[in-house]
Amino acid sequence: GQQLNQSPQSMFIQEGEDVSMNCTSSSIFNTWLWYKQDPGEGPVLLIALYKAGELTSNGRLTAQFGITRKDSFLNISASIPSDVGIYFCAGQLSSGRDKIIFGKGTRLHILP
Amino acid sequence: GAVVSQHPSRVICKSGTSVKIECRSLDFQATTMFWYRQFPKQSLMLMATSNEGSKATYEQGVEKDKFLINHASLTLSTLTVTSAHPEDSSFYICSANNLQRINYGYTFGSGTRLTVV
Repeated sequence: GQQLNQSPQSMFIQEGEDVSMNCTSSSIFNTWLWYKQDPGEGPVLLIALYKAGELTSNGRLTAQFGITRKDSFLNISASIPSDVGIYFCAGQLSSGRDKIIFGKGTRLHILP
Repeated sequence: GAVVSQHPSRVICKSGTSVKIECRSLDFQATTMFWYRQFPKQSLMLMATSNEGSKATYEQGVEKDKFLINHASLTLSTLTVTSAHPEDSSFYICSANNLQRINYGYTFGSGTRLTVV
């Protein structure tokens, strides 16, 4: 079945640093999604990508849909304490109706 | 807009009993809802796709007789964990698609923490 490999598994950074995480897939997805999950909550959509090569920003977040449609990355610039949480990449064969498959997540910690 | 409400947020039940979890789309209609299970420090694993007016589609390895799904209306899907055992303790999360906003990803509920004692 489809699998998403997300790395790194966890990150420990200083406030103000930039963050980068990525996701690769064994198969092609036509939609890539990035979510953030806070403890005890459901995931919240950060960025959605629909075209190969697409680069999209949402405030300090930037994500790209890889040309091969098998990978995506998420960058966070100038991290702040509220960025702490788990970030999941997710893939979907097409938008609208298909199930979403999640990566294993990247746990972001910000050192005091 | 695009709010998904999940109830209850937490439930503790005795082993052998059944528990029903509700997932409602509050301000949109959802022909499809998805149920996920998440164990501590792990990812969301898709359990089943709930289709309004028809049978749910279960992922491989998920027991359909144990995890009963009913999607009786365009705004409500329920997941019933039957004869619950401690190993069923987990965080259950639903999501729904909004056909008027299909390019916005799915909206997720806030989850239900099930503890079976």
